[in-house]
Amino acid sequence: NAGVTQTPKFQVLKTGQSMTLQCAQDMNHNSMYWYRQDPGMGLRLIYYSASEGTTDKGEVPNGYNVSRLNKREFSLRLESAAPSQTSVYFCASSAYLTSGSYEQYFGPGTRLTVT
Amino acid sequence: AQTVTQSQPEMSVQEAETVTLSCTYDTSESDYYLFWYKQPPSRQMILVIRQEAYKQQNATENRFSVNFQKAAKSFSLKISDSQLGDAAMYFCASTSYQGGSEKLVFGKGTKLTVNP
Repeated sequence: NAGVTQTPKFQVLKTGQSMTLQCAQDMNHNSMYWYRQDPGMGLRLIYYSASEGTTDKGEVPNGYNVSRLNKREFSLRLESAAPSQTSVYFCASSAYLTSGSYEQYFGPGTRLTVT
Repeated sequence: AQTVTQSQPEMSVQEAETVTLSCTYDTSESDYYLFWYKQPPSRQMILVIRQEAYKQQNATENRFSVNFQKAAKSFSLKISDSQLGDAAMYFCASTSYQGGSEKLVFGKGTKLTVNP
């Protein structure tokens, strides 16, 4: 069971370049998320998708776009990368459990450096 | 905006001893969930323990337990019999329901060092 997968694991970009981070989950979850993690900070929400076909801004959406391609896949695009976007990016999906609880499942992260 | 505060940027503990990590949160929701995540150097986010706000009983998972004080909006993590493998960043998080989805709000983390 792969869970949440992200590609690539590492990426170096020059200022102004564009790229897309890919995320996929095989757990049939409706909700998916993109977070960024900077030193000394916890994870901050960039965008989320409550269900296929919908996306919404989180706490730090500027400079990013997202696409919920289908139920499995949720991509994050940097149109014109800036050094301030140097960070570790996490994708997650979530589910309400049969026990009545809730959990988010995280991918392994992508370390992005913008020079 | 909902906030989660971890007031201890760093903590250390001797192997086999007990340590408590603090977390406070601010929410106006009546139904929510609280979590502690562990992040080792591999950077993988690992769920340590969760607490449903509607449950009065404190959650426990083996050596990990929480002290959930709903009125005080406090959610501390106790690690008993600390092991070298417990060394990591620990993040406290709470849910916030908006736009048809639960989202997680994270604290800034506590770096735990375990001394042999």
